[in-house]
Amino acid sequence: DAGVIQSPRHEVTEMGQEVTLRCKPISGHNSLFWYRQTMMRGLELLIYFNNNVPIDDSGMPEDRFSAKMPNASFSTLKIQPSEPRDSAVYFCASSRPGFSGNTIYFGEGSWLTVV
Amino acid sequence: LAKTTQPISMDSYEGQEVNITCSHNNIATNDYITWYQQFPSQGPRFIIQGYKTKVTNEVASLFIPADRKSSTLSLPRVSLSDTAVYYCLVGPTGTGGFKTIFGAGTRLFVKA
Repeated sequence: DAGVIQSPRHEVTEMGQEVTLRCKPISGHNSLFWYRQTMMRGLELLIYFNNNVPIDDSGMPEDRFSAKMPNASFSTLKIQPSEPRDSAVYFCASSRPGFSGNTIYFGEGSWLTVV
Repeated sequence: LAKTTQPISMDSYEGQEVNITCSHNNIATNDYITWYQQFPSQGPRFIIQGYKTKVTNEVASLFIPADRKSSTLSLPRVSLSDTAVYYCLVGPTGTGGFKTIFGAGTRLFVKA
């Protein structure tokens, strides 16, 4: 089975540009998570969805960040405008209904560099 | 959500058994204990989960005492490739997702 698929894997962009990160969760999973990881702040939960509905976006750092999940197989995380401090690895993860505890599956990440 | 406390880092040598203990004093009745492993440049991956007593799989063992206020991840005969960050999470079962927060984890460094 395919895992969580993220794109792009790597992106370098200039400050002020819009960045869109994409995620395809594992088929049949109904929860989707966006995380950001940096050396300084570790792995931070930005937002998570249940059944395509955003449940908690309290981790989104500021209004420049937005996330959508238009259907069960696709989600985007957008940064507009991007800033150098947004440079990080962004992970998407998903989990399936009826799971026990915290069993979630991560993608390989999108490595973002804003110059 | 139950707060967890685990050592920031640990060192070991190849072939040794490594035990990483996680404290979770306010664990709730319906909470499970789950451990993840993260290698550099990769996302975390599930390695083991338990509710009580002992769980063993091909990767690790998880020991949970009767009061469930702590748990110990045991890695038998570690190799250099076990160098990674290990995260302990505590959270409930459910039919939907819930706020899954990762702490700082324990950085395990295995030396030759």
